[in-house]
Amino acid sequence: RKEVEQDPGPFNVPEGATVAFNCTYSNSASQSFFWYRQDCRKEPKLLMSVYSSGNEDGRFTAQLNRASQYISLLIRDSKLSDSATYLCVVNLNTGGFKTIFGAGTRLFVKA
Amino acid sequence: DADVTQTPRNRITKTGKRIMLECSQTKGHDRMYWYRQDPGLGLQLIYYSFDVKDINKGEISDGYSVSRQAQAKFSLSLESAIPNQTALYFCATSGQGLNEQFFGPGTRLTVL
Repeated sequence: RKEVEQDPGPFNVPEGATVAFNCTYSNSASQSFFWYRQDCRKEPKLLMSVYSSGNEDGRFTAQLNRASQYISLLIRDSKLSDSATYLCVVNLNTGGFKTIFGAGTRLFVKA
Repeated sequence: DADVTQTPRNRITKTGKRIMLECSQTKGHDRMYWYRQDPGLGLQLIYYSFDVKDINKGEISDGYSVSRQAQAKFSLSLESAIPNQTALYFCATSGQGLNEQFFGPGTRLTVL
């Protein structure tokens, strides 16, 4: 089992739709969580951190469920410019450094 | 100007050649990383460095070596390139703690 798993998609949605991605992680020592966005052939960039209480940034909402070991990303009112790959990232605190990137979920938003 | 730069951006080489990929950053971060990305896979950590005198292997370090020449520079070498090292390579930096990583634009390496 992969340490961080994401549905690869692709998710094809119309403009204005709401779409949700889930990511599961296997290590209970996971300490911090992030969603990154990666455009085709470009570098990943931080979209938002994920906090235990859940957090929102405009049209984006991130949730963390430690008991079930998953995080989610909700995108409301999708825009064409939201088309990208969304990477789930987990940092482990195991006495040493370990950051694990999910393989990503591809999103296509169509007019 | 970009905070994290990588050179070259694209490179085609032949099996057995020695290749060096370079990374520079102006963010003043102590921590630097090298990753590779293959289609359908997550970013895989090759090496990381938490300061100039610190070098650590990541999950896929075999066939690679690194040098941290200064706080701002971290280079990755392939001593004898092989075709399965064909990938997109990213350098990244971060500040202290388990925080956001800032990525360079990537180097697309093809080994024939």
